[in-house]
Amino acid sequence: AQSVTQPDIHITVSEGASLELRCNYSYGATPYLFWYVQSPGQGLQLLLKYFSGDTLVQGIKGFEAEFKRSQSSFNLRKPSVHWSDAAEYFCAVGARSGGYNKLIFGAGTRLAVHP
Amino acid sequence: DAGVTQSPTHLIKTRGQQVTLRCSPKSGHDTVSWYQQALGQGPQFIFQYYEEEERQRGNFPDRFSGHQFPNYSSELNVNALLLGDSALYLCASSGGTSYTGELFFGEGSRLTVL
Repeated sequence: AQSVTQPDIHITVSEGASLELRCNYSYGATPYLFWYVQSPGQGLQLLLKYFSGDTLVQGIKGFEAEFKRSQSSFNLRKPSVHWSDAAEYFCAVGARSGGYNKLIFGAGTRLAVHP
Repeated sequence: DAGVTQSPTHLIKTRGQQVTLRCSPKSGHDTVSWYQQALGQGPQFIFQYYEEEERQRGNFPDRFSGHQFPNYSSELNVNALLLGDSALYLCASSGGTSYTGELFFGEGSRLTVL
């Protein structure tokens, strides 16, 4: 069965420090992988996605993620965190068949940023 | 270009009541999905509508039902509300001629069941 695990529930970093949020997935075929961000009281905004090709993908707001098939991982990184990055981050795996694109989400990682 | 819009943004119901939530997809999108996000959890897939039919359903009871209209907008109905139905309900749209596999989410309808 498809599943997504985000091992870190809460992460706190200092502004300007680097960030890595972990994501592991379970999926039988080539996965479609996504990272979404959710600010308090808001919906989900797509940061980046991986469908195929280059395993290092660039997203918005300076985020990037690397797909590692051997480790079933899709970790999100940012070299220098800004206070406005404080939010909840969700990793998701998608199944695509005939245009059907259901997403399975992890439980999320809440990021706090210290000044 | 308006994104995905949902209404109402907040509502309070009591156990046993029924609720209807509404969603208008992003312009050009023909597929609407609904997700339930309980407090402190990731969104859980409820069902997806395409061409006015339910295409696939997650692990939710029949108390959860939906509808899609010819203009692609959608409703989520929940009958016989339980305390555990309290959650943020997210609508997502996709598809159309520029399908990329990405879902566009609305800001959600927060339901509180007392």
